[in-house]
Amino acid sequence: DAKTTQPPSMDCAEGRAANLPCNHSTISGNEYVYWYRQIHSQGPQYIIHGLKNNETNEMASLIITEDRKSSTLILPHATLRDTAVYYCIVRVLTGTGGYNKLIFGAGTRLAVHP
Amino acid sequence: NAGVMQNPRHLVRRRGQEARLRCSPMKGHSHVYWYRQLPEEGLKFMVYLQKENIIDESGMPKERFSAEFPKEGPSILRIQQVVRGDSAAYFCASSTRTSGRAGKYNEQFFGPGTRLTVL
Repeated sequence: DAKTTQPPSMDCAEGRAANLPCNHSTISGNEYVYWYRQIHSQGPQYIIHGLKNNETNEMASLIITEDRKSSTLILPHATLRDTAVYYCIVRVLTGTGGYNKLIFGAGTRLAVHP
Repeated sequence: NAGVMQNPRHLVRRRGQEARLRCSPMKGHSHVYWYRQLPEEGLKFMVYLQKENIIDESGMPKERFSAEFPKEGPSILRIQQVVRGDSAAYFCASSTRTSGRAGKYNEQFFGPGTRLTVL
């Protein structure tokens, strides 16, 4: 089962910031938070990941609370092409120390409107 | 640098037939993952393979499903005697490695998927 909870849907106006929350209250100290998105049934696309520090790349910013029990993905200037299902994933650390499978939840369906 | 390739993109089978789904990982990637997405649901992990080895098949149905990743050639997900409930999108992902700290070398890059329809 997924270790995260997300709102099922959100709306955002084009050009505004989209803030997508995620709760992961049972996250372990060595588990990372990953975000992927899936645009209209295409293959999921990696967005960003982090451990405990805030992260930023060309696509988005990731804000992780100090207790690591929740995080927020920020799309600073949402466009219509950002309409997608966004998945927050806690990366499972295997017994051998590797990271393999991704456990997807239901995600948040973000609709960006003009 | 070509991405993850999957073929066919669409596959139609009648109940009882076999379905073979192929996945060619990105160049330089030796780890392959298969996921299934039922209509209106999220992706579910099925199996993780390295060259010639199945590492984790905890998400694979116990019967009719098998996967391989031979030394040469693409990874194959095989479904025998398909039933209507097998209708889904099947996604393949690849990565360079999985060990060590999570980072770019652990990233899974997904293919476009194969949409299987069982009549």
